[in-house]
Amino acid sequence: DQQVKQNSPSLSVQEGRISILNCDYTNSMFDYFLWYKKYPAEGPTFLISISSIKDKNEDGRFTVFLNKSAKHLSLHIVPSQPGDSAVYFCAASSTSGTYKYIFGTGTRLKVLA
Amino acid sequence: DAGVIQSPRHEVTEMGQEVTLRCKPISGHNSLFWYRQTMMRGLELLIYFNNNVPIDDSGMPEDRFSAKMPNASFSTLKIQPSEPRDSAVYFCASSVQGLNTEAFFGQGTRLTVV
Repeated sequence: DQQVKQNSPSLSVQEGRISILNCDYTNSMFDYFLWYKKYPAEGPTFLISISSIKDKNEDGRFTVFLNKSAKHLSLHIVPSQPGDSAVYFCAASSTSGTYKYIFGTGTRLKVLA
Repeated sequence: DAGVIQSPRHEVTEMGQEVTLRCKPISGHNSLFWYRQTMMRGLELLIYFNNNVPIDDSGMPEDRFSAKMPNASFSTLKIQPSEPRDSAVYFCASSVQGLNTEAFFGQGTRLTVV
């Protein structure tokens, strides 16, 4: 049973435009959410996170939005750059539980020059 | 710090052989995770240690899989006997357990069982 879902396996965006990656979760105990970026033959690297007490967190070109009632979060990248082409994983954790990180299946983003 | 170190980077083995994957977490981190990456399930959590103690091994697929953490600086994931369907990339990650912290990943071990 997939507790964290990324329903779009892939996404293509033109350079300079906005990339929007989506993630849904089912466990209401999750209260901390993270996005990771993964290049081929490398381990995932942390990108940005958000706590459930917020609905938005911004870091440069990257913004994560959280909609707790819908159990949905999204990652916006503006403007998209060719170097952003990678697989993006959404993850969730419960800070009142075992602190383990549950990941989604990933979305492959391709930014076209 | 060198980050999370995994070895080997690549492993090719024959079906039925024992395989051992190794991980050195970041110094000072007290949580360690083993993940397996597959197309169908993404990054699948296999087992999670806190202070060297296994907390949750519900993701370990079968009894053929076992993991140990004999001390704070070393962990192993063993598959015995290995099968072709075990072929995947295995990642180790570590973190400081606490509020609003992230996990740091190693570069992974690509396992191929032929």
